Amino acid sequence: GESVGLHLPTLSVQEGDNSIINCAYSNSASDYFIWYKQESGKGPQFIIDIRSNMDKRQGQRVTVLLNKTVKHLSLQIAATQPGDSAVYFCAEKTTGTASKLTFGTGTRLQVTL
Amino acid sequence: DVKVTQSSRYLVKRTGEKVFLECVQDMDHENMFWYRQDPGLGLRLIYFSYDVKMKEKGDIPEGYSVSREKKERFSLILESASTNQTSMYLCATCDEAGGVDTQYFGPGTRLTVL
Repeated sequence: GESVGLHLPTLSVQEGDNSIINCAYSNSASDYFIWYKQESGKGPQFIIDIRSNMDKRQGQRVTVLLNKTVKHLSLQIAATQPGDSAVYFCAEKTTGTASKLTFGTGTRLQVTL
Repeated sequence: DVKVTQSSRYLVKRTGEKVFLECVQDMDHENMFWYRQDPGLGLRLIYFSYDVKMKEKGDIPEGYSVSREKKERFSLILESASTNQTSMYLCATCDEAGGVDTQYFGPGTRLTVL
């Protein structure tokens, strides 16, 4: 498959452990955030989202935390599995920009057995 | 489930050729987007469209044009392909009318310009 990011930061996690992937955003006017997962050779896949009026949102095995004070977003994956290996990136939408998103460059998650 | 399809997964073209990349969605979404994705640069917006026959430039429109004649179809056109347009091209859709800003992506087209 094709690599989507040759120079990405990489997080290596053992199977079964929890993973935490971080994202810093710059615009304090951003009001909506999304985490995407992108496997090699595929398009990004929606994982979970959160609006700025929330601090935490949980999905199936995933949790997103938002700290507006320091403009930081994190994605927590519980009991990481080999199928979680991918590039993860965050996206933010700024108030007043319709549906336009600004994307981070991503973090590669490698799950070791 | 939202389904976004792109006309080709892999494409090889020569410098100077005219290239058409097509994106089709089946969810009646108003908004459609074209991005390119390059290592270390993330996704960069080329063009987007809010409605049929409506288009707006994104962050890197130079060398590209778009067409949206039908709501479900958004085409990206490289008038005269150049080697620096070798990239992964991703189409996305969004249902702004539904009050949700999530963008859903197609599988991507890996374009190589020789």
